[in-house]
Amino acid sequence: GDSVTQMEGPVTLSEEAFLTINCTYTATGYPSLFWYVQYPGEGLQLLLKATKADDKGSNKGFEATYRKETTSFHLEKGSVQVSDSAVYFCAPLRKRRQLTFGSGTQLTVLP
Amino acid sequence: DTAVSQTPKYLVTQMGNDKSIKCEQNLGHDTMYWYKQDSKKFLKIMFSYNNKELIINETVPNRFSPKSPDKAHLNLHINSLELGDSAVYFCASSPLSGSGGKTQYFGPGTRLLVL
Repeated sequence: GDSVTQMEGPVTLSEEAFLTINCTYTATGYPSLFWYVQYPGEGLQLLLKATKADDKGSNKGFEATYRKETTSFHLEKGSVQVSDSAVYFCAPLRKRRQLTFGSGTQLTVLP
Repeated sequence: DTAVSQTPKYLVTQMGNDKSIKCEQNLGHDTMYWYKQDSKKFLKIMFSYNNKELIINETVPNRFSPKSPDKAHLNLHINSLELGDSAVYFCASSPLSGSGGKTQYFGPGTRLLVL
């Protein structure tokens, strides 16, 4: 069945460091791919998405490129801020509009 | 102007009780969902409704029963609560089509603690 393998956390970085959170998936066909972010005590917010191969999603300085050949959708940011501290979830969209969430990666950014 | 709202935000109750969580969306979406997030932050879909019709029912105990009185509401009723039901429950919605057709919008969550 469909599955998502997400980089295990927690990840701790200093402010202005470079961030990569790896995500690979197995799925039937070419699903739309999403990154969601969950700030402490809050619900999930869409961070970015890509709907077809080679698409690049971007938002708030974060980027991820849909790589069909490696079935990956790694999240990157060039310079993280303390306010980026949150849990990040990778999620391909399955049939019947089901999101399959990765295990989540806790990111802590230190000043 | 809240898009997806849930009530209550916190729910503390005793084992064996019956409780309901309400969800409303004012986005005009056709599809609504319930997810469960456990203590390790793992998220799993429980139910999905499209225009008041159940389209996904993952393997959850039949103590959980979703009810959709109209397209804008999807409530979750839980009978005979158990300790293992303690979790955060998220409601979400998505449109059927359009540029945002595949994006799900989440509510703030309901933190359920069963004692």
